[in-house]
Amino acid sequence: DVKVTQSSRYLVKRTGEKVFLECVQDMDHENMFWYRQDPGLGLRLIYFSYDVKMKEKGDIPEGYSVSREKKERFSLILESASTNQTSMYLCASSGNRVTTEAFFGQGTRLTVV
Amino acid sequence: GEDVEQSLFLSVREGDSSVINCTYTDSSSTYLYWYKQEPGAGLQLLTYIFSNMDMKQDQRLTVLLNKKDKHLSLRIADTQTGDSAIYFCAEIGRSNDYKLSFGAGTTVTVRA
Repeated sequence: DVKVTQSSRYLVKRTGEKVFLECVQDMDHENMFWYRQDPGLGLRLIYFSYDVKMKEKGDIPEGYSVSREKKERFSLILESASTNQTSMYLCASSGNRVTTEAFFGQGTRLTVV
Repeated sequence: GEDVEQSLFLSVREGDSSVINCTYTDSSSTYLYWYKQEPGAGLQLLTYIFSNMDMKQDQRLTVLLNKKDKHLSLRIADTQTGDSAIYFCAEIGRSNDYKLSFGAGTTVTVRA
């Protein structure tokens, strides 16, 4: 059973804090993704990675960075959290580039106050 | 990314069929997907269709693809209360470097 695990279900952080969201997958997948989900906007891609130490910007990378030091772990970093980054964050992984399935974590609901 | 559009809400009576519609703009789409998100959970793949197919049936689910009109639909037969969720249409294609593009999601509410 494929597992994509996000380290926290709920987080509350203060404006200006540095925030780390962690994601781990156990299927040796090459590809990992970070999305944010907002009502009426669906899922928007923040960053993705096709291999260790590789990262590419998605559609809305501003205010975020990522780290992929190991194949199984993909971290999303908010360098200085702002209230407009309050959202649901979803991590996903997939086994190949043209894939039939991406597997999602359960999501982290981040509130920035 | 490429545009994927779907209506935001659908209300259906238990036992009836639900039809969720989606349109997309990427003419190079290779796969199209339907994901389901239950409250408080991540997304789970329901079904998918390859772009050279026009129909796929999987138990209560029927996917129809009109490639000419770039229209995708998901029909759920005999809708149950457990089908209440958000349903996301998504596609993957060459023009978006094979990254998944999602619609905004359709919230399906099943009423007794």
